Amino acid sequence: DAMVIQNPRYQVTQFGKPVTLSCSQTLNHNVMYWYQQKSSQAPKLLFHYYDKDFNNEADTPDNFQSRRPNTSFCFLDIRSPGLGDAAMYLCATRQGAQREETQYFGPGTRLLVL
Amino acid sequence: AQSVTQPDIHITVSEGASLELRCNYSYGATPYLFWYVQSPGQGLQLLLKYFSGDTLVQGIKGFEAEFKRSQSSFNLRKPSVHWSDAAEYFCAVAQSQAGTALIFGKGTTLSVSS
Repeated sequence: DAMVIQNPRYQVTQFGKPVTLSCSQTLNHNVMYWYQQKSSQAPKLLFHYYDKDFNNEADTPDNFQSRRPNTSFCFLDIRSPGLGDAAMYLCATRQGAQREETQYFGPGTRLLVL
Repeated sequence: AQSVTQPDIHITVSEGASLELRCNYSYGATPYLFWYVQSPGQGLQLLLKYFSGDTLVQGIKGFEAEFKRSQSSFNLRKPSVHWSDAAEYFCAVAQSQAGTALIFGKGTTLSVSS
């Protein structure tokens, strides 16, 4: 089945040690999003790609970076994770720019920072 | 600014009873509204969406929602709840700019008692 895949599902890292989270999709969608969801909070958009165009939210810390080497893959890099970065990270995709288009979410990667 | 409010943090419903989850939005123009469900350890799954037409929309798993512009509401309903409906439910509105993401409410956790 076409889907959004996130690896790993659980990631443990040490304070300050760089970590990369992976997202892939078989939907061939041109828009990919990264959301951060802290415990008992709503998902919050970090950034998104429209094709190769990167769009960063104004309040996303510089510590968070992203790469999209091709249509199928998108990576979230956290350069120096802090304890406050522990969260669920959700990847989502969407086809096109119309607001009524559905976003499809992956299962998420839960990040723990020790 | 666009925002979504889900007034109920946690709701418990008996199995077989009816359910209504509340959602209020703040948006200047015609809102594009979504309900997603998130089971423990899983990503978000779309239940239904509204962007025009009939104000009563049907979704998957027997859910429906009614858009009421006068009340700025988009409440989710189900006539008879099943134990498998226990999950977290998020209401969201699409941002006005094309290609941008969803603004989520903080979610409502549904527990189902037997």
